[in-house]
Amino acid sequence: SAVISQKPSRDICQRGTSLTIQCQVDSQVTMMFWYRQQPGQSLTLIATANQGSEATYESGFVIDKFPISRPNLTFSTLTVSNMSPEDSSIYLCSVTWGKYEQYFGPGTRLTVT
Amino acid sequence: GNSVTQMEGPVTLSEEAFLTINCTYTATGYPSLFWYVQYPGEGLQLLLKATKADDKGSNKGFEATYRKETTSFHLEKGSVQVSDSAVYFCALSENSMGGSSNTGKLIFGQGTTLQVKP
Repeated sequence: SAVISQKPSRDICQRGTSLTIQCQVDSQVTMMFWYRQQPGQSLTLIATANQGSEATYESGFVIDKFPISRPNLTFSTLTVSNMSPEDSSIYLCSVTWGKYEQYFGPGTRLTVT
Repeated sequence: GNSVTQMEGPVTLSEEAFLTINCTYTATGYPSLFWYVQYPGEGLQLLLKATKADDKGSNKGFEATYRKETTSFHLEKGSVQVSDSAVYFCALSENSMGGSSNTGKLIFGQGTTLQVKP
């Protein structure tokens, strides 16, 4: 399995600011994803981070709000821009492994005040 | 579109009780099905998976069978422990035609909180 780390593990930010979350994988992987888990809710896919090209966003998520970088096969960042309290969530990155499995990072708990 | 529906929680059981958490899905194509578990204060862990109809996934005493005829993937455990207290998520991932590859996009159910009392 893949070992995934995220930084920061948690942060408290003021509205209107931006936060960049890093995701590091211990092996090269083709597919990386970013999910959001709002308080008490399930996980929702934000986007697929593609190496060497722009991220592919799901309905309801836009690049201006959640810019993503994927400079190589082991690393990705997600920026939450111009934050509001509604952005308070856990943000998780994940990778596919093997043919069907997907593993998740420990998550970044973001609180916007 | 594709979707996953789980039974409402929270579920409260006594230790050694039998557990069933219902999960049904709607999907086009050939989905793979998963159960993930989130222990308090921790990240999401893959518990078990099934990639085609009639497959049974199992791990740590938990089992789930991929039932295409009822579009279900119910999670069961014969005897729960206090340490099983967690949130359980059912999820699907759509495969390509013939199941040769995985899109990687997971669709999650709403999660079911399980509390096991000693």
